[in-house]
Amino acid sequence: EPEVTQTPSHQVTQMGQEVILRCVPISNHLYFYWYRQILGQKVEFLVSFYNNEISEKSEIFDDQFSVERPDGSNFTLKIRSTKLEDSAMYFCASSARQPANEKLFFGSGTQLSVL
Amino acid sequence: GNSVTQMEGPVTLSEEAFLTINCTYTATGYPSLFWYVQYPGEGLQLLLKATKADDKGSNKGFEATYRKETTSFHLEKGSVQVSDSAVYFCALSELTGGGNKLTFGTGTQLKVEL
Repeated sequence: EPEVTQTPSHQVTQMGQEVILRCVPISNHLYFYWYRQILGQKVEFLVSFYNNEISEKSEIFDDQFSVERPDGSNFTLKIRSTKLEDSAMYFCASSARQPANEKLFFGSGTQLSVL
Repeated sequence: GNSVTQMEGPVTLSEEAFLTINCTYTATGYPSLFWYVQYPGEGLQLLLKATKADDKGSNKGFEATYRKETTSFHLEKGSVQVSDSAVYFCALSELTGGGNKLTFGTGTQLKVEL
């Protein structure tokens, strides 16, 4: 089965530093997503991206966050100035179509630790 | 807003035991319901889904029935194996302007022992 690939698997950074989390979605997919899970809490939606623009974002996704699809294959999440509370597992996902019953394909996640 | 509540883990069972992981939801409209599974070191994978009331999703011996009257989507398996050890996430979806937004529960860790 095709896979979504995320790099790095672990990222440690100092508070206030910028981080970029990278994802390679499945090649023929059109819809891209970022989710995160803080330890012990629910997996939370951050943002969805379609046709080279953000289609929806959550309250968590403030001005410190941005997403980009720079070259047609990668999908990145940038956190401009990390805070301690940004420490979480970040999951990238993609889907081929839009319907509400459509399967999302998830990567294995990037564990971000902000010190 | 939408929300999903699932039973806390970890759930520890012996091999061949019966499994139930409870999931209830709150939603406006008529969401689709999912169970995703995360094996150690891997991403979330779709286990099964149901798109309307009374639908039963099934896969790999797991089943869940979309119960609108009780707003539930409990996961069951008649006989678990050690290889079923993983974290199980219940989720519902709502269609947004440009995609499919999932609302997840907290996940339930299942440990199956010999």
